[in-house]
Amino acid sequence: KAGVTQTPRYLIKTRGQQVTLSCSPISGHRSVSWYQQTPGQGLQFLFEYFSETQRNKGNFPGRFSGRQFSNSRSEMNVSTLELGDSALYLCASSLDRGAGTGELFFGEGSRLTVL
Amino acid sequence: AQKVTQAQTEISVVEKEDVTLDCVYETRDTTYYLFWYKQPPSGELVFLIRRNSFDEQNEISGRYSWNFQKSTSSFNFTITASQVVDSAVYFCALRGVNDMRFGAGTRLTVKP
Repeated sequence: KAGVTQTPRYLIKTRGQQVTLSCSPISGHRSVSWYQQTPGQGLQFLFEYFSETQRNKGNFPGRFSGRQFSNSRSEMNVSTLELGDSALYLCASSLDRGAGTGELFFGEGSRLTVL
Repeated sequence: AQKVTQAQTEISVVEKEDVTLDCVYETRDTTYYLFWYKQPPSGELVFLIRRNSFDEQNEISGRYSWNFQKSTSSFNFTITASQVVDSAVYFCALRGVNDMRFGAGTRLTVKP
């Protein structure tokens, strides 16, 4: 059974650019959530989706957005990149039925460096 | 707001020692879920356990055990007879109604 796949694994951008990260959940999982991991702030919740609807959103500026498609694949976008956006972005999928309380299966992450 | 505190930033033990990782949480939700995840050097977080707020029964899984005490808002994790492969960063997490919060993590190093 394939795990959660995130692409790209590594990318370098410059300030002001935008970036789109992709996440393919485990087959059958309809819940996808995104997290930002940095040495200073640790793991922070960005947002989560269930059946194409954003269920919850963390405390991040509007530059961070996401969406989920009908096949449960998800993308997140960060516009007008800042140096502080450099981080490991983790995607997780879950089999839960909408309550968001199921165990999370994480991908390997997309490491974004902003220069 | 919800909060998860893992006061131990780093712990170093010698193989076969027992080690306990502490986790203290804060929430106003009456229904919530607690988790532990392991992040080995490879980077991918791995689920270890989930507990809901109504189930205070302790759990043992091989060398791993968890102690959930609602009275002290703690959900501690003990590894018995630690092994080098246990070296990783361990995260405690709290899922409330609208939020998922992770602790800062505890880096465990098990030396041979």
